[in-house]
Amino acid sequence: EAGVAQSPRYKIIEKRQSVAFWCNPISGHATLYWYQQILGQGPKLLIQFQNNGVVDDSQLPKDRFSAERLKGVDSTLKIQPAKLEDSAVYLCASSLRPGQRSSAVFMNTEAFFGQGTRLTVV
Amino acid sequence: TQLLEQSPQFLSIQEGENLTVYCNSSSVFSSLQWYRQEPGEGPVLLVTVVTGGEVKKLKRLTFQFGDARKDSSLHITAAQPGDTGLYLCAGVYNAGNMLTFGGGTRLMVKP
Repeated sequence: EAGVAQSPRYKIIEKRQSVAFWCNPISGHATLYWYQQILGQGPKLLIQFQNNGVVDDSQLPKDRFSAERLKGVDSTLKIQPAKLEDSAVYLCASSLRPGQRSSAVFMNTEAFFGQGTRLTVV
Repeated sequence: TQLLEQSPQFLSIQEGENLTVYCNSSSVFSSLQWYRQEPGEGPVLLVTVVTGGEVKKLKRLTFQFGDARKDSSLHITAAQPGDTGLYLCAGVYNAGNMLTFGGGTRLMVKP
């Protein structure tokens, strides 16, 4: 089974330039996440999609970051314009569906991650 | 935004030693997961705990979910150099079912 695919693996841009990242989740996974991981820290959730709808984007800096998942499959994350503090690894993950408590069955939330895109803003 | 705090942030031990990593929150989670991340790779799931008080074992790793589902611990017995990596806890909470990560514990096991 193919994993989560991300591209590019590495990107170096100057501040104020624009950049876009692409993610293709595992086939059949309804939930897609974009995380920002700054060196030495845990991943920070930027946006979560359920199919092509946004579940949460409360931590997405909307003045410069945008993301879309138009057909409910692959997704792009864009930064325009980039700042020095945007230097980080951008991780995409997908899962079948969020885990939900019920009286009977817990649905697995396991998130499968891509290798990430390492962005350096100079 | 709900916060997951992990401790310690860094841990350097000798091969054969035991260690415990903690994950704490003020919020109740539907479930809690532990991931391990190696340099240049994305996190990989180790275990999911769902029920308060639940204990799961994965070879030399023992995971426990607190009774109130607000905290968890990871205990490694007889650590080996291959255990070196970044250990992350992640919780699923509230109706949005967002997966929120802690800051991670960077473990180094020296031979």
